[in-house]
Amino acid sequence: DQQVKQNSPSLSVQEGRISILNCDYTNSMFDYFLWYKKYPAEGPTFLISISSIKDKNEDGRFTVFLNKSAKHLSLHIVPSQPGDSAVYFCAARDTGANSKLTFGKGITLSVRP
Amino acid sequence: NAGVTQTPKFRVLKTGQSMTLLCAQDMNHEYMYWYRQDPGMGLRLIHYSVGEGTTAKGEVPDGYNVSRLKKQNFLLGLESAAPSQTSVYFCASKTSGGHSYEQYFGPGTRLTVT
Repeated sequence: DQQVKQNSPSLSVQEGRISILNCDYTNSMFDYFLWYKKYPAEGPTFLISISSIKDKNEDGRFTVFLNKSAKHLSLHIVPSQPGDSAVYFCAARDTGANSKLTFGKGITLSVRP
Repeated sequence: NAGVTQTPKFRVLKTGQSMTLLCAQDMNHEYMYWYRQDPGMGLRLIHYSVGEGTTAKGEVPDGYNVSRLKKQNFLLGLESAAPSQTSVYFCASKTSGGHSYEQYFGPGTRLTVT
């Protein structure tokens, strides 16, 4: 049973426009959420995170929104740049899981010049 | 400061062969993790360690063993490789302190089992 779901496998956006990447979760014990970015042939790198006590966290062009009642979070990238083209993973931490993270399957973002 | 490094970067094995993947971190992190990434499957946790001398099973531990004899190293072993273990393997580490749950990842090892 997949606890972190990234239902759209890919997204294509024009350079300069907004990219919205979605993530849904089912486990009510998740209290912290992270987004990772991965380029081909490299390891994932941390992008941005949000605690369950907040509904928004912003870092430059990246903003993560959390809707706890809907068990939904989204990553907004504004404006999108070609260098943002990568696979984005949503991850969640379970309060009782000893700092393990559960990852979604990832979304491939393509930003067209 | 190299962060998390993995050895080797690539490897091809025949079914039944054994090998060990090495992960090293120089950030003095307590926690270390081994993941595998398969197409359409995301990152799945194989084994993890919360400190030197400790190991625990993750989501997909079968066919793998691990050891954490030194704090900075986390070894992943395949005793008898199978084609189903063809994957990209990532090691990660994390500090035990503070309220950050960010894991730092290595560059990966691409393993093919024929």
